[in-house]
Amino acid sequence: GNSVTQMEGPVTLSEEAFLTINCTYTATGYPSLFWYVQYPGEGLQLLLKATKADDKGSNKGFEATYRKETTSFHLEKGSVQVSDSAVYFCALDLYSSASKIIFGSGTRLSIRP
Amino acid sequence: DTEVTQTPKHLVMGMTNKKSLKCEQHMGHRAMYWYKQKAKKPPELMFVYSYEKLSINESVPSRFSPECPNSSLLNLHLHALQPEDSALYLCASSQGQGAETQYFGPGTRLLVL
Repeated sequence: GNSVTQMEGPVTLSEEAFLTINCTYTATGYPSLFWYVQYPGEGLQLLLKATKADDKGSNKGFEATYRKETTSFHLEKGSVQVSDSAVYFCALDLYSSASKIIFGSGTRLSIRP
Repeated sequence: DTEVTQTPKHLVMGMTNKKSLKCEQHMGHRAMYWYKQKAKKPPELMFVYSYEKLSINESVPSRFSPECPNSSLLNLHLHALQPEDSALYLCASSQGQGAETQYFGPGTRLLVL
């Protein structure tokens, strides 16, 4: 079946540290891949996406590359800020799935000043 | 403009009350969604409307009743809810169905007493 696996949180880093949040997927077909972010007390915001292999999504200093060979879509940022503290969800959507996004379990990120 | 609006932000209701959640988008999107999110969990899909017709109902109890009066509006009517229905209810929309980016609203935080 289709699924998304994210690294367990919480992840705590100091400001200006390098961030990686791992995400791997299993899918029958060719999914689009997404990272959504949820700040405390808010809804989900699309952070970035990639629709085919080797595409790189980027936004607000975050990047993720669609790796078909390793079925991965790891989220990275070179220098995190306190304002990046949030929950990050990796997700996939298949054209054939009638728009049923499959979310990972979410990774809570806390950044220390 | 990629905004989805939801009202109210917060709602407290008793188990015998009837209330409605509202969602609106003006992006010309033809697919709209209701999700339920419990604390520390990813969103769970409840309903999908495509071109104002219900296309997916994820076996949601009948005490939740969706309605799509036009292509910009989506309602969720609530009646005789249980305390375990307390959650964040998220609305989303996308251009169409099938691997399209979904844009989420800020959510309605519901407490059932």
